[in-house]
Amino acid sequence: EAGVAQSPRYKIIEKRQSVAFWCNPISGHATLYWYQQILGQGPKLLIQFQNNGVVDDSQLPKDRFSAERLKGVDSTLKIQPAKLEDSAVYLCASSLVGSYEQYFGPGTRLTVT
Amino acid sequence: AQSVTQLDSQVPVFEEAPVELRCNYSSSVSVYLFWYVQYPNQGLQLLLKYLSGSTLVKGINGFEAEFNKSQTSFHLRKPSVHISDTAEYFCAVSLPSGNTPLVFGKGTRLSVIA
Repeated sequence: EAGVAQSPRYKIIEKRQSVAFWCNPISGHATLYWYQQILGQGPKLLIQFQNNGVVDDSQLPKDRFSAERLKGVDSTLKIQPAKLEDSAVYLCASSLVGSYEQYFGPGTRLTVT
Repeated sequence: AQSVTQLDSQVPVFEEAPVELRCNYSSSVSVYLFWYVQYPNQGLQLLLKYLSGSTLVKGINGFEAEFNKSQTSFHLRKPSVHISDTAEYFCAVSLPSGNTPLVFGKGTRLSVIA
């Protein structure tokens, strides 16, 4: 069974530029999460989808971050414009409906200079 | 709201020695408890979980953890560590139902010394 796929694995941009990350969850997993992991801290939820609907985006900085999951499968997380403090690893996770277990992708490491 | 405190940011230990990584949580309701491991440049992998029942839970790679409700703790232990156990370990909690987000601690870096 293929795991959660993320791309790119690494990205370096300058502040005020825009960037997008892509996630492909495990087949059949209707629930998808994006977490932000800043160096030295644990992952923090940004947004949760179930199918193509948003369940929780209360911690998403909506002035610069956006996310979508149009067909209920792949998801894209965008930052526009990026700030220095957005430097972090962005983790995507997925789970079956009703399951407590989340499966994580390898993450995208973003460096904003 | 839930919160997790991992009391040690770094734990160095010699190979074949025992190790304990400490985790305390705060919540006004019951929670599920988890330990995840993160190897360099990889995502998080579930080590073990406590949902209900026996307070001693066993996980992969010889790890085990004990849930202590009165002390709101969920410490991770291994009787004999290997070099390959060098990684970042995260304690996490979630509400006791499916499809709820995880709340993580800041992590403990375990370094196993040969």
